[in-house]
Amino acid sequence: DAGITQSPRHKVTETGTPVTLRCHQTENHRYMYWYRQDPGHGLRLIHYSYGVKDTDKGEVSDGYSVSRSKTEDFLLTLESATSSQTSVYFCAISGSSGGAETQYFGPGTRLLVL
Amino acid sequence: KQEVTQIPAALSVPEGENLVLNCSFTDSAIYNLQWFRQDPGKGLTSLLLIQSSQREQTSGRLNASLDKSSGRSTLYIAASQPGDSATYLCAVEDNAGNMLTFGGGTRLMVKP
Repeated sequence: DAGITQSPRHKVTETGTPVTLRCHQTENHRYMYWYRQDPGHGLRLIHYSYGVKDTDKGEVSDGYSVSRSKTEDFLLTLESATSSQTSVYFCAISGSSGGAETQYFGPGTRLLVL
Repeated sequence: KQEVTQIPAALSVPEGENLVLNCSFTDSAIYNLQWFRQDPGKGLTSLLLIQSSQREQTSGRLNASLDKSSGRSTLYIAASQPGDSATYLCAVEDNAGNMLTFGGGTRLMVKP
């Protein structure tokens, strides 16, 4: 298994509070991704990073921000959590983009916003 | 905007049966198509990746085909086993190379 960990694995928080999820990799891969998975919507890309301090938006980026200050860590922040952000969040990594290499997924973080 | 559809949404078969899962996508300008497996409460595990210039890939009892011009892929599972029970997801990587678009998945149950 690719060396990807996510923390926390489970979190319950209240509406309006900030929340930060962490993804840590030991593979030295360049690309890192944050997805959310919801019933009826499948997995959707939130943000991704193509290098240290290089990030871009995905399909559902509103209400989320990211930071990548080191190759191994990619942080996802919910600036002011809402109930619609209750979801399972997956981090993924890849050594390259553009065809030949797959993405490797972490175990996920279950977030409940009350 | 790319859209990926998987049919059927759920499938239950007896052990030993050969089966086919279907995936369709709307924009043929892709780098690759990937099939993943997801067990309940777990992350995704990559099964097969077919680059846009390829027609199929095989791994053990799994065979995936790609018809880019028609926007279709199939995942063939031979001699299904109870351990194959999981959700199978297909995803396409667009030509910008930075985004995977996923289908909704097919939930497979193989009964002993």
